[in-house]
Amino acid sequence: AQKITQTQPGMFVQEKEAVTLDCTYDTSDPSYGLFWYKQPSSGEMIFLIYQGSYDQQNATEGRYSLNFQKARKSANLVISASQLGDSAMYFCAMREAPFNSGGSNYKLTFGKGTLLTVNP
Amino acid sequence: DVKVTQSSRYLVKRTGEKVFLECVQDMDHENMFWYRQDPGLGLRLIYFSYDVKMKEKGDIPEGYSVSREKKERFSLILESASTNQTSMYLCASRIGGALFTGELFFGEGSRLTVL
Repeated sequence: AQKITQTQPGMFVQEKEAVTLDCTYDTSDPSYGLFWYKQPSSGEMIFLIYQGSYDQQNATEGRYSLNFQKARKSANLVISASQLGDSAMYFCAMREAPFNSGGSNYKLTFGKGTLLTVNP
Repeated sequence: DVKVTQSSRYLVKRTGEKVFLECVQDMDHENMFWYRQDPGLGLRLIYFSYDVKMKEKGDIPEGYSVSREKKERFSLILESASTNQTSMYLCASRIGGALFTGELFFGEGSRLTVL
């Protein structure tokens, strides 16, 4: 079963408007973390924002905020005041508990991504 | 700044060839990862290493092996390349320890074409 689901293969938004990119996740682990990455056409992966499962408040980083709804298992990325440079592929990823007991080593599982296009 | 360097941006190989993809990071990170990225499939984990000489299979390890002899270097090996291994390969690293918020730092990717 997919652990990270991004249901929007592509999204369009007008410059200066806000856009929400959806992400739902599946885990039975009480301790987990959620990440969003941006991948422009140049190919590099850029870390945007992180939300821990025990964090009381939604994470924010500049124009990026994470709408974390734990009961619904969703972690949507909100980009405010879209810019042309926001056009990129966006990936949601989840970190679960460490795979070896007593350690802190974990892997990230990624969704399939959403291609965002910002129109002028 | 963390730098993750992948040895080749573009490679073209023939079916049956042995292929080495090299990745080096300069921040003394314990954990290193190899993902492949295909359109419509996102990033899928092939292998990861949590320390020197330590490795764990990811979600799609078949047809691949890895080597981590030094902390800074993590190699992905295709013993006998096949056309279905044509893909973009991404290396990543992160600091070990109890820093759960530690994000992955990625290299620029290696686009492999197997003919």
